[in-house]
Amino acid sequence: AQSVTQLDSQVPVFEEAPVELRCNYSSSVSVYLFWYVQYPNQGLQLLLKYLSGSTLVKGINGFEAEFNKSQTSFHLRKPSVHISDTAEYFCAVSVLTGTYKYIFGTGTRLKVLA
Amino acid sequence: ETGVTQSPTHLIKTRGQQVTLRCSSQSGHNTVSWYQQALGQGPQFIFQYYREEENGRGNFPPRFSGLQFPNYSSELNVNALELDDSALYLCASSLVSGSPETQYFGPGTRLLVL
Repeated sequence: AQSVTQLDSQVPVFEEAPVELRCNYSSSVSVYLFWYVQYPNQGLQLLLKYLSGSTLVKGINGFEAEFNKSQTSFHLRKPSVHISDTAEYFCAVSVLTGTYKYIFGTGTRLKVLA
Repeated sequence: ETGVTQSPTHLIKTRGQQVTLRCSSQSGHNTVSWYQQALGQGPQFIFQYYREEENGRGNFPPRFSGLQFPNYSSELNVNALELDDSALYLCASSLVSGSPETQYFGPGTRLLVL
């Protein structure tokens, strides 16, 4: 069975500092990886995705993530965060089980401090 | 190009009642997926519809059912509501069903069951 683990439920960081949000997955089949962001009282917005090719993926708002197959990880990074980055971040894998569906992690709440 | 919309935004029901949630997919998208997001959790896959047919289902009982219409709108119906059904319900649309395409999420409907 496939699963996604986001070990950090909350990550506080000061403004303009770098941040890494961790995501590990478990799957016996090929996976496709996504990071979504959810602002308060809103739906999910795609930050970036890895389908194939280069393992370093760049997304919107200055975020990037690196797919590491040997460590089954897809950590999200940003070199300098802003107050506006405060939100919930979800890692997801898309697996083919009859149809493609997302399996989400439990989320990491990023709180950027002034 | 309009995004994914959902109605209503909030809803309060009592245990045992039935509820219908609505979603309007992004224009041209032939696939819609529904997710349940309990408080403090990641979204859980309920089911997916492709060209008006159910095309995959998560671990949810049959009292969760859906419909997809030719005009790209869809419905999630929940019968015999239980307290644990209180959650944010998200729909997500995508263009095709046979590949891990990006899913575009609506803002969600927050359901409270008393």
